[in-house]
Amino acid sequence: AQSVSQHNHHVILSEAASLELGCNYSYGGTVNLFWYVQYPGQHLQLLLKYFSGDPLVKGIKGFEAEFIKSKFSFNLRKPSVQWSDTAEYFCAVIEVISSGSARQLTFGSGTQLTVLP
Amino acid sequence: DGGITQSPKYLFRKEGQNVTLSCEQNLNHDAMYWYRQDPGQGLRLIYYSQIVNDFQKGDIAEGYSVSREKKESFPLTVTSAQKNPTAFYLCASKDRVSSYNEQFFGPGTRLTVL
Repeated sequence: AQSVSQHNHHVILSEAASLELGCNYSYGGTVNLFWYVQYPGQHLQLLLKYFSGDPLVKGIKGFEAEFIKSKFSFNLRKPSVQWSDTAEYFCAVIEVISSGSARQLTFGSGTQLTVLP
Repeated sequence: DGGITQSPKYLFRKEGQNVTLSCEQNLNHDAMYWYRQDPGQGLRLIYYSQIVNDFQKGDIAEGYSVSREKKESFPLTVTSAQKNPTAFYLCASKDRVSSYNEQFFGPGTRLTVL
């Protein structure tokens, strides 16, 4: 079965520090990849997504992620975090079975990011 | 405004009682999903429905039931058979015909069993 690993459970940074959150998945075929964010008291919302093409994808609020197929990874990065980035971040992967068909979305366990002012 | 609504926001239940969580969407999406979120475990899929009058079990369906009588609605019933129902429940929907498998989420319902 598909699995998604987020090895950092809780990350604490000071404002202006750089961020990298790891995400690894187990499926060897075609995948669609997502990072979702859950700010305190808010809906889970999409940060960015990768389907095909340029492996470096840019999302909202200055976030970006790089898909490295050989490493089965999709790490999230931000060069300079802000206090308002404090949230829980979830990596999610969906296996693409065939054109227009896919298995269900599998989420990682999440990483709580705390940014100190 | 298009979106997904879940009600209630907070729900308290006594042990042994069934309870139904509401999920409504006006995005005209075909597919709907229920997830359970527990600290340190991410989101786990309970049930999903790709089309009206059809639904499938997810990874942790035991103790839960759903119905999909209308495209807009996908209620989840937490039955007394669910051993540990206290959790945060999230509903999501997706446009099945789209090539982009992005899911949109509701605000969630926090269920506490007393």
